Amino acid sequence: GAGVSQSPSNKVTEKGKDVELRCDPISGHTALYWYRQSLGQGLEFLIYFQGNSAPDKSGLPSDRFSAERTGGSVSTLTIQRTQQEDSAVYLCASSLAAGGPYEQYFGPGTRLTVT
Amino acid sequence: TQLLEQSPQFLSIQEGENLTVYCNSSSVFSSLQWYRQEPGEGPVLLVTVVTGGEVKKLKRLTFQFGDARKDSSLHITAAQPGDTGLYLCAGDGGTASKLTFGTGTRLQVTL
Repeated sequence: GAGVSQSPSNKVTEKGKDVELRCDPISGHTALYWYRQSLGQGLEFLIYFQGNSAPDKSGLPSDRFSAERTGGSVSTLTIQRTQQEDSAVYLCASSLAAGGPYEQYFGPGTRLTVT
Repeated sequence: TQLLEQSPQFLSIQEGENLTVYCNSSSVFSSLQWYRQEPGEGPVLLVTVVTGGEVKKLKRLTFQFGDARKDSSLHITAAQPGDTGLYLCAGDGGTASKLTFGTGTRLQVTL
């Protein structure tokens, strides 16, 4: 079956504009995660969803960041009033369920550049 | 805050050489995973270790979880150019499902 898909693959935006990043998880996966990766570094956890609820939003850097998930499937990460420090690759992952050492399957990421 | 430090940060070796990547923390993890990431792609899971002292082998790759479940190592025997990539360890603290990722080791294997 299809893997995790993300769109757009690349996004260039001007400072101060809002952006929306989309993630389509693997069908049947109830857990969905968002991470941020800067310059080939390790991944920084942002938020995860179990179904449509987000039990852990602790990684969101500021109130400019928000995310939602609808129908237990597609998720959107929104960044308002983008800043240059928001430039990074945003990765989405899904797993069968939350908790335990379930494998997380990653999408290819969205590379965000804020000019 | 749980942190995972990886070493070395960069490694450039020739085909056929052996190497070891280390992943260290002061925190205890219920399980630890190793991922490999290639440019333009998301990380792909290589292995999960869950028991202190556990050793897992995946062809030329050997993974070890420390007895105290605070550290791990990845050993590659006879490296090949196809092993080139960013290697990431990730620890599961046991609460919810948030993974803490290591700082990453970028490996380049040349002919």
